[in-house]
Amino acid sequence: SQQGEEDPQALSIQEGENATMNCSYKTSINNLQWYRQNSGRGLVHLILIRSNEREKHSGRLRVTLDTSKKSSSLLITASRAADTASYFCATSGNQFYFGTGTSLTVIP
Amino acid sequence: GAVVSQHPSRVICKSGTSVKIECRSLDFQATTMFWYRQFPKKSLMLMATSNEGSKATYEQGVEKDKFLINHASLTLSTLTVTSAHPEDSSFYICSARNLIRSNGYEQYFGPGTRLTVT
Repeated sequence: SQQGEEDPQALSIQEGENATMNCSYKTSINNLQWYRQNSGRGLVHLILIRSNEREKHSGRLRVTLDTSKKSSSLLITASRAADTASYFCATSGNQFYFGTGTSLTVIP
Repeated sequence: GAVVSQHPSRVICKSGTSVKIECRSLDFQATTMFWYRQFPKKSLMLMATSNEGSKATYEQGVEKDKFLINHASLTLSTLTVTSAHPEDSSFYICSARNLIRSNGYEQYFGPGTRLTVT
């Protein structure tokens, strides 16, 4: 399997600021998922957006999907120190991708 | 999205013993399950692909006699790490995939199992 790509690889922001992470993939998809992983812990499923959706919200999370550009973004608003983690995107369709992740650090 | 569970979430075992990790799809039937290993600060490395009722397909460099995979039902796959060594210590993650008519697949990841071999 090939991997998707997130950017930036690392992001450091102050508490209260918004954090935006991007994911690009290579083939057509059925859905795209965002996961969070705290250091040394398991994957936590955050949100799923289907290929026919353009935007989805869940609490402080906002995900957009642009299938023409084969990209998605995850926005975390009003970030908290507890949001510090790695964030991965994964896609499924005819193939699947699992990205290399963005390491987010929220400074209190 | 669908739910995939793994059990146990963390396990510590002694060198030379075997450990079994379960992966279950909770609300869908998974025709295919995948097992990955995650190294520190790296993405997932695919170890093997298992289809229900058939032998698993292992990626190059993965010892099939050491990492035994059984996919006995459409909702359960197991990975057994045999004769574990400290270098097997890692995070093992499964994912489950189901076919959506003729329009490709949906695939979901489990939370992972942290294996520590002492």
